[in-house]
Parts: sequence; structure tokens; C-alpha cells
Amino acid sequence: SQKIEQNSEALNIQEGKTATLTCNYTNYSPAYLQWYRQDPGRGPVFLLLIRENEKEKRKERLKVTFDTTLKQSLFHITASQPADSATYLCALDSGGGADGLTFGKGTHLIIQP
Amino acid sequence: DVKVTQSSRYLVKRTGEKVFLECVQDMDHENMFWYRQDPGLGLRLIYFSYDVKMKEKGDIPEGYSVSREKKERFSLILESASTNQTSMYLCASSIPGSSNEKLFFGSGTQLSVL
Repeated sequence: SQKIEQNSEALNIQEGKTATLTCNYTNYSPAYLQWYRQDPGRGPVFLLLIRENEKEKRKERLKVTFDTTLKQSLFHITASQPADSATYLCALDSGGGADGLTFGKGTHLIIQP
Repeated sequence: DVKVTQSSRYLVKRTGEKVFLECVQDMDHENMFWYRQDPGLGLRLIYFSYDVKMKEKGDIPEGYSVSREKKERFSLILESASTNQTSMYLCASSIPGSSNEKLFFGSGTQLSVL
């Protein structure tokens, strides 16, 4: 069956360092992969989308990589700030049409001052 | 900015009640989705719709139905609420012509069924 795995435990990072979150998947051939941020009691907010033919995507302090051979995406936040503390979700599309995304369970990131 | 509005942030209902969760989006999106989110289980797709009066089952449709009479409104219906339907419910829409790209979510409805 299809499976998406993200670090299930909270990730604690010192302010100013780079935070790296991992998303691994099995039994998928996604056309693209997305990353969302979710704050407590709120809905997820879209951050970045990377397509299967792209290796890397950047947006300000965010960088996403996508390795279809390893079946893995890495999400980096450089120069991390306490305001970056949130849960980060990766989501996959199987390329089959408008049938919604499948989400990982998310990684809770804590940036400590 | 795109806005997806869910009618209630918190709801408390009793077992057996019929429950309506309403969602409205203001950007003419064709696709709309209902997810539920539970600790340790993540987001799971209940139903989705890619046009007015169209609906498709997601991964966990049992105990739910939906209604899409107008493009901007997508309603989730719990025919007879049960305690295992206590959850955070999230509505989302996606930009025209792009199916699953960049979902816009509402703030969620925390439903408690007693």
C-alpha cells in the first residue's frame, strides 16, 4: 500500500541553524510533492511545490529537494527563527487526477531561542 | 487572497444527531475537499468534488455524505453522528484547472460528539 513517512518525533533546532525535515514515500510515483505549514488550531498553509522533473526549489529561506530514486524529499529552513516553529506536512499526488492529496502525519518543528 | 471559510470553529453535538459542516470559498475554484485530522493519523480525505453536483469518495467516506449545490459551497453531512467522528474537520479548495496543486484550507471545525 502507499505510504508517506515523516519524522514522527518533534525536531528541536537552535535559532539561526538550518532545520532539515524528511519525507519518505513508498509505492508512489508522484507527479509532484508539496510542503505545508500548520500552526496549532489552524488549517495547513501551502509553502512549496516541486515536480518530479525538478531536483530543487527555493523560496526565500526555504529549500526543497526531491529525489525520485531515493523516494525522498528534504525540506530545509535556513537561518531558522522561533516563528518557524510549527508542524510541517508533506503531501503527494499520485498523478491520477483531481482526487486530492495524500498527506504525511507531519513533523513538529521547534526553534529554540 | 483566497479565502476558504468554515462556518464554525467549534461544535458540540450528541450521538445520533444529524450534523452539517459548511464550507465556502470565494475564488471560483472547481475542486473542493473535506479532510479530517486526528492525532497520530494525520489528514485523511473524506470526500471531494470537482464540479457542482459532482462528488467522489475519498479514503474514509463511511458515515459521511456531501452536497455541492453551488460552486462556492461544499457541505459535509454526518447523517447520525457517532463518538468516533469527534475530530478536526478541514475543508480545502484548489485553483482552477490544476486538480491537486496548492490546496487552500479553511481554519477547521473542531467537532466533539458526546
